[in-house]
Amino acid sequence: DTGVSQDPRHKITKRGQNVTFRCDPISEHNRLYWYRQTLGQGPEFLTYFQNEAQLEKSRLLSDRFSAERPKGSFSTLEIQRTEQGDSAMYLCASSPPYSNQPQHFGDGTRLSIL
Amino acid sequence: SQKIEQNSEALNIQEGKTATLTCNYTNYSPAYLQWYRQDPGRGPVFLLLIRENEKEKRKERLKVTFDTTLKQSLFHITASQPADSATYLCALDGDSNYQLIWGAGTKLIIKP
Repeated sequence: DTGVSQDPRHKITKRGQNVTFRCDPISEHNRLYWYRQTLGQGPEFLTYFQNEAQLEKSRLLSDRFSAERPKGSFSTLEIQRTEQGDSAMYLCASSPPYSNQPQHFGDGTRLSIL
Repeated sequence: SQKIEQNSEALNIQEGKTATLTCNYTNYSPAYLQWYRQDPGRGPVFLLLIRENEKEKRKERLKVTFDTTLKQSLFHITASQPADSATYLCALDGDSNYQLIWGAGTKLIIKP
């Protein structure tokens, strides 16, 4: 169990640029989640994958955000035309293929928009 | 929709004492409730899960209770240590099968 890894750990970019983050879940976990977290708040759900299928997406999620999990293993989250309000910690989590299981988180990618 | 309330003020506890954190929810009773610990700059780490038909769960110095009448979960750390200082988050199943809804967390500070 090598844990969930996320890359990069930090990303600084100018407003209007596109950014892409990567998440490698725990290998036996078929469920993968993306969250956004701002200072002093809990994680906010963005989207969920079961294997390669994106089964749920937050209604709050702008169409500038897109996520993929092409082979049911690693996942990418892309933000197009970044805005100041996108500055946050982006967290990825994975869990086993059973109901009501705890989620295992990576240490996130901190995005700063200049 | 479901909302979670955790004490937003930091909780200061003397080392060796029991720390008690509160998680209140506003709407339907969840099937289960989870507690996580988060250190600065790190992702949350799972601690305990309690189901709606369980009143209490323990793990070493940790204890969680779940009262569906009060719509409340309490999280206790006994014999607290400075290393227990962190933010503690509660989460419960949301409106769909896949979402967790999270509280904002309570920062716990254990003073030596």
